[in-house]
Amino acid sequence: EPEVTQTPSHQVTQMGQEVILRCVPISNHLYFYWYRQILGQKVEFLVSFYNNEISEKSEIFDDQFSVERPDGSNFTLKIRSTKLEDSAMYFCASSLGRQEAFFGQGTRLTVV
Amino acid sequence: QQPVQSPQAVILREGEDAVINCSSSKALYSVHWYRQKHGEAPVFLMILLKGGEQKGHEKISASFNEKKQQSSLYLTASQLSYSGTYFCGTVTTGSARQLTFGSGTQLTVLP
Repeated sequence: EPEVTQTPSHQVTQMGQEVILRCVPISNHLYFYWYRQILGQKVEFLVSFYNNEISEKSEIFDDQFSVERPDGSNFTLKIRSTKLEDSAMYFCASSLGRQEAFFGQGTRLTVV
Repeated sequence: QQPVQSPQAVILREGEDAVINCSSSKALYSVHWYRQKHGEAPVFLMILLKGGEQKGHEKISASFNEKKQQSSLYLTASQLSYSGTYFCGTVTTGSARQLTFGSGTQLTVLP
């Protein structure tokens, strides 16, 4: 069964450092998303991406965040200068259209 | 504007029923239900599109009242495996595809 894969599963970084979280969406999907979940809290929308551009973003997705689809398979989230409050589980998801989104297993980001 | 879920937590015994509600202040295109186990990714349960439909998935079903912008998830004869956090996600009619989640309902099924 096709699935969304994310790497790494766990990333520890120092405050102020840049991190890149990677995702391989399901191959025939057209819409890609990043969500974040702070420990014990709800899943929060960050950004959606379609046709090589951001289609929507939340207020969380400020200038320190960026997304890219560098090739035909990968979808990345870059956090430029990490802060302690960026520590969270980051989920990538993809969908074919305005239908169900399938989530990856997440990358746990710990900023120290 | 995230949807509002209620209750925040439910504890029930195996075999009992539960209802989880989700409401939005905005016109909805669709409602999505997910279940998340601790430390895992949310897993898709079902999607309801505007039209007031009801869907079922084994002993889990859901309804969507388009006029009230509300959806309810029904879990009947609950099993231990139903334990987890249930999130409703909504896509508003004005949104391309942003899926916004509610705060979640923690469901615990005891033997």
